[in-house]
Amino acid sequence: LAKTTQPISMDSYEGQEVNITCSHNNIATNDYITWYQQFPSQGPRFIIQGYKTKVTNEVASLFIPADRKSSTLSLPRVSLSDTAVYYCLVGAPDNYGQNFVFGPGTRLSVLP
Amino acid sequence: DGGITQSPKYLFRKEGQNVTLSCEQNLNHDAMYWYRQDPGQGLRLIYYSQIVNDFQKGDIAEGYSVSREKKESFPLTVTSAQKNPTAFYLCATGTGVFYNEQFFGPGTRLTVL
Repeated sequence: LAKTTQPISMDSYEGQEVNITCSHNNIATNDYITWYQQFPSQGPRFIIQGYKTKVTNEVASLFIPADRKSSTLSLPRVSLSDTAVYYCLVGAPDNYGQNFVFGPGTRLSVLP
Repeated sequence: DGGITQSPKYLFRKEGQNVTLSCEQNLNHDAMYWYRQDPGQGLRLIYYSQIVNDFQKGDIAEGYSVSREKKESFPLTVTSAQKNPTAFYLCATGTGVFYNEQFFGPGTRLTVL
């Protein structure tokens, strides 16, 4: 299983761009990188997924360098409501997601 | 959340009693999962099912049991053999081309007294 490492916590201010980096040095060729967001007492919510280079959706961007040993989730102009825990996961498509490991994640606090 | 229903939201049971947590989905997703989350921790996989009448153990299956008789339903039973059952339980369904995108229910917080 590809192990991921993320910062335990980050602070930011409203309106700033936040970048959360995840290390996954032993990522396998077939692994995809997926990010989830979780608010207290709720289930995680899918944010974005990618394999290489850059992926962008209406919520975030995901940057993946050529060696794929790390990835960066970018949240543009955060607001107080972006305060949550963010999880980085890697997983192979042929495992149907059952080998996803949700580590402790990164606790993002957005301050006014 | 969305098309995934977990009931009840809060559940209290006495030690030694079995308890069943409900998970129902109307998303027509094949894969379903059960996770456990302890305070300040990530999620740990208990069981998962890729298809009706088939399910597999996750990392912490001991003390739990599941069934998948219908595509829409994946109930989890917490048995008296589970040493520390008090936790937040999350049900999810899997979709996407490779089932890497999971949708989570609102969760059930189980407290064993």
